[in-house]
Amino acid sequence: GAGVSQTPSNKVTEKGKYVELRCDPISGHTALYWYRQSLGQGPEFLIYFQGTGAADDSGLPNDRFFAVRPEGSVSTLKIQRTERGDSAVYLCASSFRNTGELFFGEGSRLTVL
Amino acid sequence: AQKITQTQPGMFVQEKEAVTLDCTYDTSDPSYGLFWYKQPSSGEMIFLIYQGSYDQQNATEGRYSLNFQKARKSANLVISALQLGDSAMYFCAMREGHRGGKLIFGQGTELSVKP
Repeated sequence: GAGVSQTPSNKVTEKGKYVELRCDPISGHTALYWYRQSLGQGPEFLIYFQGTGAADDSGLPNDRFFAVRPEGSVSTLKIQRTERGDSAVYLCASSFRNTGELFFGEGSRLTVL
Repeated sequence: AQKITQTQPGMFVQEKEAVTLDCTYDTSDPSYGLFWYKQPSSGEMIFLIYQGSYDQQNATEGRYSLNFQKARKSANLVISALQLGDSAMYFCAMREGHRGGKLIFGQGTELSVKP
């Protein structure tokens, strides 16, 4: 596709459940980023991939959060034992080079009941 | 410490006028980049303009210009000839270093353009 694609667009789950959020970046973009955005706040950095490897995972809040990008394209953000405080919009972005501007997807809205 | 500060939570401005959205930043790295993004109510983040720390001239992109004052560590966005479609959240962001990496975002400013 032409842009960054994120699925699902909406996910409602119960506290304690496991969730996966998928990101399909723009073709040819080597850098991929995950952010989390709470209502009325700016995007909060979670993790950044250059190729298949996580170049910076300093924003992951705890060990319940994990992300992979096994083939250097699609990435999955995995959240274990979800908590109500995990409710937010999870944004994925990609860039052609790690010094360029980020192109964002429309986000996955996660609601933990 | 807050790396990016946007002190204007909300602004109401008349259509066809110009507006300045404030952004100050904090870094000790001599090499950095500054970005502005627009987020309409639909939610998607849209890249507007970029300024590199070594750029001699202020960046411009159509109706958007960046007032870069390095000594003051400010990177204010100026939007001219406002349109109703400019109503959105606006975020300032910074990337440190020349090797690339994450962008750090400010809290945003909500701009409402009145007819």
